[in-house]
Amino acid sequence: DTEVTQTPKHLVMGMTNKKSLKCEQHMGHRAMYWYKQKAKKPPELMFVYSYEKLSINESVPSRFSPECPNSSLLNLHLHALQPEDSALYLCASRGRLDSHEQFFGPGTRLTVL
Amino acid sequence: AQKITQTQPGMFVQEKEAVTLDCTYDTSDQSYGLFWYKQPSSGEMIFLIYQGSYDEQNATEGRYSLNFQKARKSANLVISASQLGDSAMYFCAMREPDTGRRALTFGSGTRLQVQP
Repeated sequence: DTEVTQTPKHLVMGMTNKKSLKCEQHMGHRAMYWYKQKAKKPPELMFVYSYEKLSINESVPSRFSPECPNSSLLNLHLHALQPEDSALYLCASRGRLDSHEQFFGPGTRLTVL
Repeated sequence: AQKITQTQPGMFVQEKEAVTLDCTYDTSDQSYGLFWYKQPSSGEMIFLIYQGSYDEQNATEGRYSLNFQKARKSANLVISASQLGDSAMYFCAMREPDTGRRALTFGSGTRLQVQP
């Protein structure tokens, strides 16, 4: 099973809402990533979890809150977002320490009204 | 800091012909990895090919090959025998140094359109 799943596929939320994005992989990978991709732009790194510990936060606003409850699951909690946060949010995972390939999920398209 | 440059915003190719997508990079690290990903309109990033900085031979994966010229710091993707399904956005990316994170830095992308 070389699959990373993300739910929901699409999400529309207001600026006062609280929502969560979910990412799951069952490949035994120990590094998981959140990337944000604005329209017509490349993905940009937001968070990295390695062995369920937050490795780096790329100066992301606190209205984005990541969580890694276990080695298979990665969440991104959203609160008080702005319309400019509308984007495609991609989750990825990587296997062994010497592995190079990152497997990406299909992404969640987020629209903030 | 690492930087990836893709100078072709868009490319057209006729079906069954070969096409080269350009990628140049800048890094001060001796050990690095270069990737190409395909992103269809659906949004998923599909891994195509990988080249390590110490790999002596150019990487190949089916119809994809990577023309790696280390001295020129280029890592161009060659797609042979283009198919209509190859129409997508293509990103060149570089893996961070061996710090454990191994996050990817992406170029701006090239949109490829295959014409029948």
